[in-house]
Amino acid sequence: EIVLTQSPGTLSLSPGERATLSCRASQSVNNNYLAWYQQKPGQAPRLLIYGASSRATGIPDRFSGSGSGTDFTLTISRLVPEDFAVYYCQQYGSSFTFGPGTKVDIK
Amino acid sequence: QVQLQESGPGLVKPSETLSLTCTVSGGSVSSGAYYWSWIRQPPGKRLEWIGYIYYSGSTKYNPSLRSRVTISADTSKNQFSLKVTSVTAADTAVYYCTRGTYGFSDFWGQGTLVTVSS
Repeated sequence: EIVLTQSPGTLSLSPGERATLSCRASQSVNNNYLAWYQQKPGQAPRLLIYGASSRATGIPDRFSGSGSGTDFTLTISRLVPEDFAVYYCQQYGSSFTFGPGTKVDIK
Repeated sequence: QVQLQESGPGLVKPSETLSLTCTVSGGSVSSGAYYWSWIRQPPGKRLEWIGYIYYSGSTKYNPSLRSRVTISADTSKNQFSLKVTSVTAADTAVYYCTRGTYGFSDFWGQGTLVTVSS
């Protein structure tokens, strides 16, 4: 099973700042099948990125994904208030597993 | 716009069977080359993929749960269902049904909390 780790566990930033979230896999993710989700309290996750770098429908272009192999990054170019949430990565190249999440909170 | 809604008991006794149903609107479980999945999230923990049923009817399960899980579909009602047998407290979680394109989920239900307790 591919194990995903995310860092940092918590990221404290101010609106307008840039957020860089990391997701590392225990082995290479086939075809870069890596997705990112945003989850707010009491809500279901929302798909942001799939295929490591493709934005899902309706996702603002301040969200971008990059990376390949075992190292992936989600970047939020300029945080707005509704971006403060928990972010999960998921690999779907070999079965399906999720990372533990990174919480982005307001500094 | 696809919408999914989970339904089922919120409380299940240990050793019994957890049964949930997902009702789909705005799309069909039997067409479109989509994967209809169940994903759960124990309190304070990461998401865990349980399994999916493909539009063709084929299924795939998380190896760690395979012996206890069954996912099926009722195309006449445009629903798909989850059964987990021999539940324990470790099965307490928010259960989500989702529509996926291969392994990532683009539409999610709101989730339903299932507590395993006597």
